[in-house]
Amino acid sequence: EAQVTQNPRYLITVTGKKLTVTCSQNMNHEYMSWYRQDPGLGLRQIYYSMNVEVTDKGDVPEGYKVSRKEKRNFPLILESPSPNQTSLYFCASSLGQGVGYTFGSGTRLTVV
Amino acid sequence: TQLLEQSPQFLSIQEGENLTVYCNSSSVFSSLQWYRQEPGEGPVLLVTVVTGGEVKKLKRLTFQFGDARKDSSLHITAAQPGDTGLYLCAGRSVLGAGNNRKLIWGLGTSLAVNP
Repeated sequence: EAQVTQNPRYLITVTGKKLTVTCSQNMNHEYMSWYRQDPGLGLRQIYYSMNVEVTDKGDVPEGYKVSRKEKRNFPLILESPSPNQTSLYFCASSLGQGVGYTFGSGTRLTVV
Repeated sequence: TQLLEQSPQFLSIQEGENLTVYCNSSSVFSSLQWYRQEPGEGPVLLVTVVTGGEVKKLKRLTFQFGDARKDSSLHITAAQPGDTGLYLCAGRSVLGAGNNRKLIWGLGTSLAVNP
């Protein structure tokens, strides 16, 4: 089954403790992206990757890092999480930027 | 700045009713996508419309892209409780080259269909 898999689904952490949210896709898509979704603000792009070793900032990249060492994986790293990063995070992949996306099931992150 | 406005923001109807939700912009898009998102899950792509004036049907859902490619509508006939969810539209920008065209998202219409 074609899918994007994110882990974990839920995460509660403390301010400043580094964390990684993993994302993997099995569709051989070149394009992958991370979004956060907040009430009243909608989906906002954090980072995206056009291909292996090619990443770029989205609209809200501050406080986040990504890497794309393999085509299928695109982890999101929060080096020093803060409470304003409490959000619902989605990884998505597609054949190209702006082409129809397949989303993961989401990671609900709470930073206390 | 390219924006997509969706209306209404919230809609609560009874099973069997018809409804239309709208996605409007002052900007032109090369294509427009509609997604449905259920609580706690990721958005799921329903349809992509590409040509101005294009109409696509998916069972009881009818999608239309405006002639000028600045707006779109989603009409649901005889709504069912399973149609409940957040309906998001996303337009692919005409700015940028080839595969590097951004997706602009609306905030969504939250639909509740009551039995």
